[in-house]
Order: sequence, then C-alpha cells, then structure tokens
Amino acid sequence: EVQLVESGGGLIQPGGSLRLSCAASGFTVNSNHMSWVRQAPGKGLEWVSIIYSGDSTYYADSVKGRFTISRDNSKNTLYLQMNSLRAEDTAVYYCARVPDRTYWYFDLWGRGTLVTVSS
Amino acid sequence: EIVMTQSPATLSVSPGERATLSCRASQSVSSNLAWYQRKPGQAPRLLIYGASTRATGIPARFGGSGSGTEFTLTISSLQSEDVAVYYCQQYNNWITFGQGTRLEIK
Repeated sequence: EVQLVESGGGLIQPGGSLRLSCAASGFTVNSNHMSWVRQAPGKGLEWVSIIYSGDSTYYADSVKGRFTISRDNSKNTLYLQMNSLRAEDTAVYYCARVPDRTYWYFDLWGRGTLVTVSS
Repeated sequence: EIVMTQSPATLSVSPGERATLSCRASQSVSSNLAWYQRKPGQAPRLLIYGASTRATGIPARFGGSGSGTEFTLTISSLQSEDVAVYYCQQYNNWITFGQGTRLEIK
C-alpha cells in the first residue's frame, strides 16, 4: 500500500529541538520530491519545506534557518529537524509527496503528527 | 504572498444536490490550483490539480473549473461520504492554501 506515516511529535519547550519522521511505503522517497505542510490550531494549512529528488531544498520564510528537511534513502524516510522552536510552531505536521518538480501540489499525504511548543 | 480566500466557510447541502465551493486568489495563479478533501482523522486527499484535472481514483462527481483568480469545486450530487473540509491551494508562486470550506449534509 502506498502511504506516508509521520511520527516524532510531542510536547517541547520553547527553544527546544525535535525531529519529525515520515516513513514511506509503496514508493521510494529518494526518487520523489517530498514536502512538509503544517496546520496550527484554528488556522489554515501552511507549507513548510520541500526537498527535490536531486536534494535541492526550499523553506518557508517562517522556518528558514531553524528547520532542516532531509531524507534517509536506506530507511525510505523523510525527516524534519526543528530547532529553536517557538510557540507559533505548534501545529499538526504533515508530510506529503510532490509529483512534479515544477508544479508543487501534493498527491499523497500522511495523517500528521502533533507538535506542541509550550512551557 | 498570494492570499487564497474560500467561500463560504460552511456549506450545507442536501444529499443528491449540487455543492459549489469557491476559491479566490489575490492575484492570478493561472491554472496552478489544487483542491483537497480532508476528513477527520484521515490524511488529506488530492481531488483536483491544474484547476480542472481530477486526480487518480477521484469520482466523476467532483469537478474543478476556473483560471486566473476565480475557481470553483463542484460536487454534482452530494453523497454522505463527501462530508469533509475542502481546501484550495495555489502553486503558481510558492504555495499558499485557503482557509477551507466545511461541507455538511443538510
């Protein structure tokens, strides 16, 4: 079955770090473009980051310099390393597959993992 | 940043009736627009991309139209399983999403 399963969310204090994982099955992450999208409580969806199959990466201004997207091809897993976390980073984080390098829409999503940044 | 505005916020439609959801962009996004469906506890699902192309496995009752700044998602005959929140997304200039329309059964 083709699917994405996120993990690694939880409660973290402001200024802390957390690494999210997204395990893929039914396809390989290294030959696809992959992305993270988040949704804060009561807010809309917000794109966070993308990694191309060729390893180029892009970030939303709100997370640039604090978050890092990466993947482990041997584990077929996508990651999001989140540092210097802020209260406004509290959200459900989704990983998603981007089927086209030029057109950034998402054809497969996971169910998400909740990150809560609070003291 | 391109702002996407969806209307209405909540839509109630009787089973078998047509549901029409709107999405407006603050500037032209050409046809670079997608629609998603999200049900509680489930992963979002791609319905439409390129403003009007149905994604793989999407029933024919879902249709997308529009270009530039005005877009519409139409569900021709509402089924109970279509109860969900629907989001539009532009990918013409980076990525932004609308706030969503909650679709309910009347």
